Amino acid sequence: NAGVTQTPKFRVLKTGQSMTLLCAQDMNHEYMYWYRQDPGMGLRLIHYSVGEGTTAKGEVPDGYNVSRLKKQNFLLGLESAAPSQTSVYFCASTRTGSEISYEQYFGPGTRLTVT
Amino acid sequence: GQNIDQPTEMTATEGAIVQINCTYQTSGFNGLFWYQQHAGEAPTFLSYNVLDGLEEKGRFSSFLSRSKGYSYLLLKELQMKDSASYLCAVLDSNYQLIWGAGTKLIIKP
Repeated sequence: NAGVTQTPKFRVLKTGQSMTLLCAQDMNHEYMYWYRQDPGMGLRLIHYSVGEGTTAKGEVPDGYNVSRLKKQNFLLGLESAAPSQTSVYFCASTRTGSEISYEQYFGPGTRLTVT
Repeated sequence: GQNIDQPTEMTATEGAIVQINCTYQTSGFNGLFWYQQHAGEAPTFLSYNVLDGLEEKGRFSSFLSRSKGYSYLLLKELQMKDSASYLCAVLDSNYQLIWGAGTKLIIKP
């Protein structure tokens, strides 16, 4: 099993450009998440999905959109990139059920720089 | 609001013991997780506590006191590879993980 994979691993954008980050998991997990991680701050939830075709806003959703057309994939879009979106983006997934199953499995991250 | 506090950085010596504390104030509580994150890598699961007390797993132990909103991660027989950030996260009433900023642990020979 590959677990959780993310593409691309690195990207540099100019202000105003758009891009899509792809997350894929092969563990048949129901829930998927997109986080950003900035120095000195905890992981902050951008958007999440509790199943195919459903998405919800997290703590910092502005400037991002998501889609979950297939259970195994969760896409994060930046419509018009801004320097404030320079960050490391992590995708994660989890099973459902008992509380311990909310352990999140993370992808390797995408390092995005917006100039 | 929801808040999780951890020390920003700690230093310890190889072979020694270190305790990393975490205090939390969240809307509901469905368990507390500890994750390890090496520089430039993704977080990986270390432990989960939902009942008060100590959970031991090899060189790592995690303690929880729900009445005090307090947890700690205890690392014994420190090795250089334990140099990493340690993240505390609480599963709140909406089954969302609320994350602390992490504690960077530096191990010196």
